[in-house]
Amino acid sequence: AQSVTQLDSHVSVSEGTPVLLRCNYSSSYSPSLFWYVQHPNKGLQLLLKYTSAATLVKGINGFEAEFKKSETSFHLTKPSAHMSDAAEYFCVVSLSGNTPLVFGKGTRLSVIA
Amino acid sequence: GAGVSQTPSNKVTEKGKYVELRCDPISGHTALYWYRQSLGQGPEFLIYFQGTGAADDSGLPNDRFFAVRPEGSVSTLKIQRTERGDSAVYLCASTYGGGRTGELFFGEGSRLTVL
Repeated sequence: AQSVTQLDSHVSVSEGTPVLLRCNYSSSYSPSLFWYVQHPNKGLQLLLKYTSAATLVKGINGFEAEFKKSETSFHLTKPSAHMSDAAEYFCVVSLSGNTPLVFGKGTRLSVIA
Repeated sequence: GAGVSQTPSNKVTEKGKYVELRCDPISGHTALYWYRQSLGQGPEFLIYFQGTGAADDSGLPNDRFFAVRPEGSVSTLKIQRTERGDSAVYLCASTYGGGRTGELFFGEGSRLTVL
């Protein structure tokens, strides 16, 4: 079975400081991994994805994530938080094109001015 | 171009009633997914269509839930004899192919409240 664990339900950072949202996955095979963001009253939007190419993946809005197989992790980072980054972030795993995406429970990011 | 459209955006119903939720995917997308998101949780998979057929309905919680996509475009999620536990945001997403390497495009969801 495949699953993801988001280690923090809520992260709070000051504007201009680094962001780290942690995600660990469980999969018997080489997974595809994603981060999605959900702003209030908006649809989920893809931030970035890993599909067995480069292990450091760059996404939109300055976010990036590194796939570490030895640690089964796919943490999301950003060097400098902006107020507009405040949202819910979901780590997502998929085994194949015919299996559905499995979402983590989400991490709510708050950015303090 | 238009994104994934879901109607209604909000639905309040009474326990035991029948509900239909509609999803209009992005034009040309062959794959369509339904997810359910309860308060404080991540989206949970319900059913996946490839074209007109349900390729995977393993996430439907019981036989009160049913979904159709008769012409391979618009989909309707149907819930019979609604229960209070069915209250959630129902999300629809579409994409060109399988979900593994393709990006899923989500609608804003239909919030269902069962009183």
